[in-house]
Amino acid sequence: DQQVKQNSPSLSVQEGRISILNCDYTNSMFDYFLWYKKYPAEGPTFLISISSIKDKNEDGRFTVFLNKSAKHLSLHIVPSQPGDSAVYFCAARDGSGNTGKLIFGQGTTLQVKP
Amino acid sequence: SQTIHQWPATLVQPVGSPLSLECTVEGTSNPNLYWYRQAAGRGLQLLFYSVGIGQISSEVPQNLSASRPQDRQFILSSKKLLLSDSGFYLCAWEQGQGINQPQHFGDGTRLSIL
Repeated sequence: DQQVKQNSPSLSVQEGRISILNCDYTNSMFDYFLWYKKYPAEGPTFLISISSIKDKNEDGRFTVFLNKSAKHLSLHIVPSQPGDSAVYFCAARDGSGNTGKLIFGQGTTLQVKP
Repeated sequence: SQTIHQWPATLVQPVGSPLSLECTVEGTSNPNLYWYRQAAGRGLQLLFYSVGIGQISSEVPQNLSASRPQDRQFILSSKKLLLSDSGFYLCAWEQGQGINQPQHFGDGTRLSIL
């Protein structure tokens, strides 16, 4: 049973437009959510996170939105740039434990066209 | 600043051979350490985590084992590799005792079993 799901395997966006990546989760004990960006043959790079006590966190071109009632989070990238083309993973942490174990989604491949 | 190193970057091994992948972290003390595997086209699956020297927790039953002989060293091993062990292995660290801290990943090891 997958607790974190990214239902769109891929997304294609024109340069300069907004990219919206979505993620759904099922475990109500998740209290911290993260987005990572991954290029081929490299490890994931941390992008942005949000605590469950917030509904929005912004960092430059990246904004993460959290809708706890819907158990849904999204990553907005505005404006999108060709260098943003990568695989994006959302991840969630179970707050009931004492470690930082993360549950990852399957990833969404973003392609930003020039 | 903190850095994480993984080696080797790529590895081709025959079925039945042993395995040792090493991960070290610099610039921090008492980190939480993690081993993940990413199978082709899938998300990251947590294999092992460690909150201290000699403390290893396994997430999934498998052909692999992990050890933490030093505070900032995490080793992934196998006595006899299977074809199903092929994948991209990632080590990650996070600040121990921290609340809502992201995990930071190494560049991974691409393991191919022949």
